[in-house]
Order: sequence, then structure tokens, then C-alpha cells
Amino acid sequence: DIQMTQSPSSLSASVGDRVTLTCRASQDITTYVNWYQQKPGMAPKLVIYSASTLQSGVPSRFSGSGSGTDFTLTISSLQREDFAIYHCQQSYSTPWTFGQGTKVEV
Amino acid sequence: QLQLQESGPGLVRPSETLSLTCTVSGGSITNNNYYWGWIRQPPGKGLEWIGNIYYTGTAYHNPSLASRVTVPVDTSTNQFFLRLSSVTAADTAVYYCARVPFGMVKFESWGQGILVTVSS
Repeated sequence: DIQMTQSPSSLSASVGDRVTLTCRASQDITTYVNWYQQKPGMAPKLVIYSASTLQSGVPSRFSGSGSGTDFTLTISSLQREDFAIYHCQQSYSTPWTFGQGTKVEV
Repeated sequence: QLQLQESGPGLVRPSETLSLTCTVSGGSITNNNYYWGWIRQPPGKGLEWIGNIYYTGTAYHNPSLASRVTVPVDTSTNQFFLRLSSVTAADTAVYYCARVPFGMVKFESWGQGILVTVSS
């Protein structure tokens, strides 16, 4: 199985900050990575797919980059509604696997 | 607008079979552009993919669960299902159903989730 490792596990930030989250795959997965946002008590929501493509309806302050084994999700100017847990997921090979999540908090 | 809704018992006894239903509305489960999946999340932990099903019955399962999992589909009711046998406390989780575009493994639409607790 491909292991997805996210760092940090949590980070503190303020409204307006630029925030960068990292996800590392245990092997080369080209650009087969997706990012999800999950708020407490809610289902995850797709934010970025194929490493850098913004899902429809997601604000443009979200962006993704990377290829191979190292990927980042960047929020250019953190808004109050962005405080959440972010999960990465590889779609390169089954079983599809997720990282353990990064919590973005105040 | 597409909606997915999980339903089923919130409590299952150890060694029994967990059975959940995902009802799809606002779209047809026979749309050949999509398949349908199950993901779970133990309390306070990360997400785990369980399996995907195409409306024809073609299914893909996580090997870690494959011996215990079936994912049937009923096109007449626009529903698909999760059956997980021989459950233990480790199967306690929030279970989500989701839609997955064919040819691109991204979970783009999710149900709200249902908490299933395994306990005697």
C-alpha cells in the first residue's frame, strides 16, 4: 500500500495568514493526489484534485502543487471558514489511501 | 442536485454483520460516468477507503477488508449497500458513501455519514 504522510499534524494560524500544508507519498504517484477539507461533524469536501486542479466552487485562495512524492496545499489568505482538518489522498493505485490529516486551528 | 444519504443501524454486536444503505437522489446510479464508494473514519482518526461499485456490479475492495466486505447495488431503487461481516470494536467508525467519477478517483460528492458503533 502507498503510505501518505502529512505534516505538520496541526498548525496554528491567524486570519489573513498564508498557510502551506505538506503531504508525502511513500512512492512516486506522479500527480495522482487529492485534497479534502473536513469541518467538525461534517463529511470531507473535495478541494483540489490531480495535485493542482481546483474543484468547482472552491475559492481561488486554495491552490495545490507538487509531483512525484511531495505535494503541498496552500491557502493564500486564511479565512475564518478555512479552519478545518485537511486530508490528502492518493489515487495512483488501489487501495486508495489517505494521510492522517493536518488540523488548521487558531 | 445530487444527494447521498446513508442509513442503517447505529449499533452492531461483535461478530455480526454491519449493513448500511446509501440512497442516491438527484441523479441516477446507472449513470455510466460514475461509480460509487464507501469510506470510513474511526473516531478521531483518518479516512479509510473500503470499496467502490459500478452499477453493473463490478466492484473493487480494500484488500485489508476484502474477505469481509461486499458492496451490492440495486439499480431499481437507486441504492447501493455495504455489508461488513464479523465486525469487532475496530470497525466502529463514521461510514460515508460517495460518488466517484469514472476514470478519476476523486470522492467528489459525499453523504453526511453515519456513526456505527460495535459493542455488546
